Amino acid sequence: NAGVMQNPRHLVRRRGQEARLRCSPMKGHSHVYWYRQLPEEGLKFMVYLQKENIIDESGMPKERFSAEFPKEGPSILRIQQVVRGDSAAYFCASSPRGSSYEQYFGPGTRLTVT
Amino acid sequence: GENVEQHPSTLSVQEGDSAVIKCTYSDSASNYFPWYKQELGKRPQLIIDIRSNVGEKKDQRIAVTLNKTAKHFSLHITETQPEDSAVYFCAASSRGAQKLVFGQGTRLTINP
Repeated sequence: NAGVMQNPRHLVRRRGQEARLRCSPMKGHSHVYWYRQLPEEGLKFMVYLQKENIIDESGMPKERFSAEFPKEGPSILRIQQVVRGDSAAYFCASSPRGSSYEQYFGPGTRLTVT
Repeated sequence: GENVEQHPSTLSVQEGDSAVIKCTYSDSASNYFPWYKQELGKRPQLIIDIRSNVGEKKDQRIAVTLNKTAKHFSLHITETQPEDSAVYFCAASSRGAQKLVFGQGTRLTINP
């Protein structure tokens, strides 16, 4: 059973470009969570999605950030017009049920904005 | 909302000694407390968790204790080994909530 997959693992973008981060949950998991980790800090919740639905986006910045989890395919975190402060590791996690229990993390995407 | 404080931020122990990391939380409704281990450049990995209906849980060299009255919980690692060196994060979640609220992390170094 493959674990949570994320790609790309590393992404470099210039200021003003768009970043698209992808997350495929574990087989059998239909709940996806995105967290952001700034250097030397803990993980901060961004958004929780089920297939075709955003359940909780209380941690998402109001502008430039969006997330989706379509019926088919991976969940995508999209950052428009990136700025240097967006440089961070972005982790997604999945769980078999819509709860905080047993969240398993992917390897992360390390975004660097130059 | 929930707030989780974690101490210490760094911890250095001799191989074979015990290590203890402590966390406090603010939301009395929180009922799930996992611990994650993150090695450099790697994903956070769930190492142990505890729910509010128990006070202690053990798994080999790792144990977690929970004091709901004081709203704090701790990770205990005994007989530490070099491979225990990593950053450890505590987290908390309340009943019905989906998100985890993480502490700031503890960088644990095991000295040979």
